[in-house]
Amino acid sequence: EAGVTQFPSHSVIEKGQTVTLRCDPISGHDNLYWYRRVMGKEIKFLLHFVKESKQDESGMPNNRFLAERTGGTYSTLKVQPAELEDSGVYFCASSYNADSYEQYFGPGTRLTVT
Amino acid sequence: AQSVTQLDSQVPVFEEAPVELRCNYSSSVSVYLFWYVQYPNQGLQLLLKYLSGSTLVKGINGFEAEFNKSQTSFHLRKPSVHISDTAEYFCAVLKAAGNKLTFGGGTRVLVKP
Repeated sequence: EAGVTQFPSHSVIEKGQTVTLRCDPISGHDNLYWYRRVMGKEIKFLLHFVKESKQDESGMPNNRFLAERTGGTYSTLKVQPAELEDSGVYFCASSYNADSYEQYFGPGTRLTVT
Repeated sequence: AQSVTQLDSQVPVFEEAPVELRCNYSSSVSVYLFWYVQYPNQGLQLLLKYLSGSTLVKGINGFEAEFNKSQTSFHLRKPSVHISDTAEYFCAVLKAAGNKLTFGGGTRVLVKP
């Protein structure tokens, strides 16, 4: 069984540019989560999808971040325009259903905004 | 709201020595507890979890953790570490019936030969 995959693994962009991160969850997992770790800080929750619906987006930092999960399969997280403080590692995780306490994480995308 | 404190940001340890990573949490509601590990250039991998039952939980790679409700702690231990245990370890909590993990700041373990 393939795990959670994320693309790209690294991205370096300039301030003001746009970046789109992609996450492919484990096949059949309804729940998809985005987390972020800014340098030197804790890993923090961004948002949670159940299938294609946003269940909880309380962790999204501001309206420069847009997450989508069309069709309930893969998800994208777009940052537009990127700011320096957006640099960090963005993790995606998935779980089977609401009763599944274990979240399976992808390798993360390291975003550097210069 | 929940919070998690990992008391040590870095722990150097010699190979075959024991290691303990400390984790304390704060929550006004029941939580589930997790330890994740991130090996270099890899994603987070679940080491072990506490949902209910026995307070001593055994995980993969010889790790175990003990849930202490009165001290709101969930310390991780391994009696004898290997070089391959060099990684960053994260303690996390999940509110019962909740959806989002709350993580501690992580503890980097460096195993020396």
